[in-house]
Amino acid sequence: KNQVEQSPQSLIILEGKNCTLQCNYTVSPFSNLRWYKQDTGRGPVSLTIMTFSENTKSNGRYTATLDADTKQSSLHITASQLSDSASYICVVTPKGSGGYQKVTFGIGTKLQVIP
Amino acid sequence: EPEVTQTPSHQVTQMGQEVILRCVPISNHLYFYWYRQILGQKVEFLVSFYNNEISEKSEIFDDQFSVERPDGSNFTLKIRSTKLEDSAMYFCASLPGQLNTEAFFGQGTRLTVV
Repeated sequence: KNQVEQSPQSLIILEGKNCTLQCNYTVSPFSNLRWYKQDTGRGPVSLTIMTFSENTKSNGRYTATLDADTKQSSLHITASQLSDSASYICVVTPKGSGGYQKVTFGIGTKLQVIP
Repeated sequence: EPEVTQTPSHQVTQMGQEVILRCVPISNHLYFYWYRQILGQKVEFLVSFYNNEISEKSEIFDDQFSVERPDGSNFTLKIRSTKLEDSAMYFCASLPGQLNTEAFFGQGTRLTVV
């Protein structure tokens, strides 16, 4: 069964500090891995998307890494801001045809940035 | 910036009633999805829709659920006879059609069954 596990479950950091969130997956073969930010009560918003051949992808203060051999990804947030407080969800898409992919969601890491 | 819009933002319904959740995907997208997220749990896939038919559905998507795209723009999820355990956030998402492209999610409809 395809699984996506994220750690830690929750994290509290001081504003301005960096943090790294982890994602381990068993989906294989996979097409791409996405990181989403989900504010409370809102829909997920895409931060990065990486194919299996990419090792790193940045989006402003967010940098995602991918090791397809070990099936691990991380999301690094630099110089955190209060607005970074949200759940960060790792989503893996299995290889499929066209858009018929059934993605697997992680449960997310709940990040709280405090002043 | 194009976005997926969902209505209503919050729906309260009595157990056993029918509800219709509405979504307007991004206009040039081809693939449409419904997901749900029970409070405190992970987002779960319900159904995918392409070329005016269901392409995949999960075990959750039983006979009580149906989807349609009645007018080429709206994408609806109907729950025929709601149960308490249907209470969740329901998200609609759309993709343009190419592999490895970004999926755009709506802001969700919070369904509360009482």
